[in-house]
Amino acid sequence: TQLLEQSPQFLSIQEGENLTVYCNSSSVFSSLQWYRQEPGEGPVLLVTVVTGGEVKKLKRLTFQFGDARKDSSLHITAAQPGDTGLYLCAGVLMDSNYQLIWGAGTKLIIKP
Amino acid sequence: DTAVSQTPKYLVTQMGNDKSIKCEQNLGHDTMYWYKQDSKKFLKIMFSYNNKELIINETVPNRFSPKSPDKAHLNLHINSLELGDSAVYFCASSWDRSPYNEQFFGPGTRLTVL
Repeated sequence: TQLLEQSPQFLSIQEGENLTVYCNSSSVFSSLQWYRQEPGEGPVLLVTVVTGGEVKKLKRLTFQFGDARKDSSLHITAAQPGDTGLYLCAGVLMDSNYQLIWGAGTKLIIKP
Repeated sequence: DTAVSQTPKYLVTQMGNDKSIKCEQNLGHDTMYWYKQDSKKFLKIMFSYNNKELIINETVPNRFSPKSPDKAHLNLHINSLELGDSAVYFCASSWDRSPYNEQFFGPGTRLTVL
C-alpha cells in the first residue's frame, strides 16, 4: 500500500477540456510538492504547498492542499498538448520528516 | 548549462555484466539521490548522499553500490546485472538534506538488461 495514492492513473482528453487529478493519503503531510515529468526527461517541480487549504495558481494550473493536509488536487483549465506528461505528487510526512514520499503518478495525454 | 547530468543516456547490456552510471551536478548542492523508475513509472528512492556521506539507503540489493567522490558527483555501480534491473535510473540533487527542498533531476539513464 502506497502512502500517497494518485488518481486517475491515466487520463487522455481533448485539447481545451478541463481536468482534475488527485493525490490522496490517510496520513498527514507537512508539505506536498507537485512535479511534471515529460517523456524522456526527469521530473521538474511545479509547486509546493505547505498550509492546509492553500491554493496556488501557475497560469492554467491550480493546486490545492486539503484542509486536513491529507490530500491535494491539481486542476488544469483549457488543457493544451504541452500539458502532456506524468504528474507526480511527493510529500513530507508530519511525523517522519526525513525523506520525501512519492506517489505513483498520473499519466496525462492531451490530444490536439 | 546542464544542472544535473548523467551518462550514459542509454545502456544496453547482457545479464551478469557489471556497469556504472555517472552523475554530476553543477548547482553547488550538498545532497544527491539515485532513483529507479520502473515500467509503471513509479519513482523509488534508492540512495541519498549528503556531502559525500550516505544518509538514505533503502532496501536495495547489495549488487548496487553508490560512490560519491565529492559532493558534485554520485555514481552508481551495478554488479551481476539481472533482467529486473531494467528501468530508468534518475540522479537528482537538492540544496541540502531537508526533504522540503526542491529536487533537481537529471535526464535519466535507460538501462536495458538482455
